[in-house]
Amino acid sequence: QKEVEQNSGPLSVPEGAIASLNCTYSDRVSQSFFWYRQYSGKSPELIMSIYSNGDKEDGRFTAQLNKASQYVSLLIRDSQPSDSATYLCAVGAGGFKTIFGAGTRLFVKA
Amino acid sequence: NAGVTQTPKFQVLKTGQSMTLQCAQDMNHNSMYWYRQDPGMGLRLIYYSASEGTTDKGEVPNGYNVSRLNKREFSLRLESAAPSQTSVYFCASSEFFGTGGTETQYFGPGTRLLVL
Repeated sequence: QKEVEQNSGPLSVPEGAIASLNCTYSDRVSQSFFWYRQYSGKSPELIMSIYSNGDKEDGRFTAQLNKASQYVSLLIRDSQPSDSATYLCAVGAGGFKTIFGAGTRLFVKA
Repeated sequence: NAGVTQTPKFQVLKTGQSMTLQCAQDMNHNSMYWYRQDPGMGLRLIYYSASEGTTDKGEVPNGYNVSRLNKREFSLRLESAAPSQTSVYFCASSEFFGTGGTETQYFGPGTRLLVL
C-alpha cells in the first residue's frame, strides 16, 4: 500500500514568518512530487512540482526533495494571511496513480 | 477556457437513489480522474481514465461506475446511493498519465453530495 504522510496540523505561524510543511512517502520508485493548495470549500490547485533531489524555488515558495530519505517539504517565505489553507502533498510513480496525503492545515496570523 | 467543469454543485439523495455526476474539460487532456474527499482522509481515487476509451478502478471503486463518453467528458454514476457515499467529489484531468509534468492534475470545483 503506497502511502503519503503529512502532519494534519493546524500549523500556525505569524505573518511574515517562514512556514515549513513536510511530507514523507513510502514508495521508493516515486518519481514526481507535487504540492497543491486547497482553500476551504474549494478545489485543489497546483503550487509546485519537483522531480529531482534538491530545492526548487518559485517566488515565495520553495520545494525540497530528498529521495534517499523519502521526504519532500514546502517552505513558504514571508507568509501572508492569504496563504491560510490546506496544503496537500501528492506523489506519483510514473504511469501509476498519484497518491495524495491528507493535507496540513496552515493558519497565518495577521 | 473553463478548465474542468462539474455538475451538479450540490445534491441530496435518499438511500437507494441513483445519480450521475458529470465532468467535462476543455484543455484537450487525455487523462481524467474521479476522487472523493472526506475529512481527515484526503483525496481518494475512485476511477480513472488514462486515455479515451479506457477506464480503470482506483482505490475506492465499490458502489460506483464510470463512463468516458469522449475525450472531453467523464461521468461518475452511483447506482444505489448509500450514506457512506456522502462526500465531496472532484473530477480532475491531466495532459497524460505519465511523468515529467504531464501528469499535473487540474481539478473541477467539486460536487457536494449528501445521502440521507
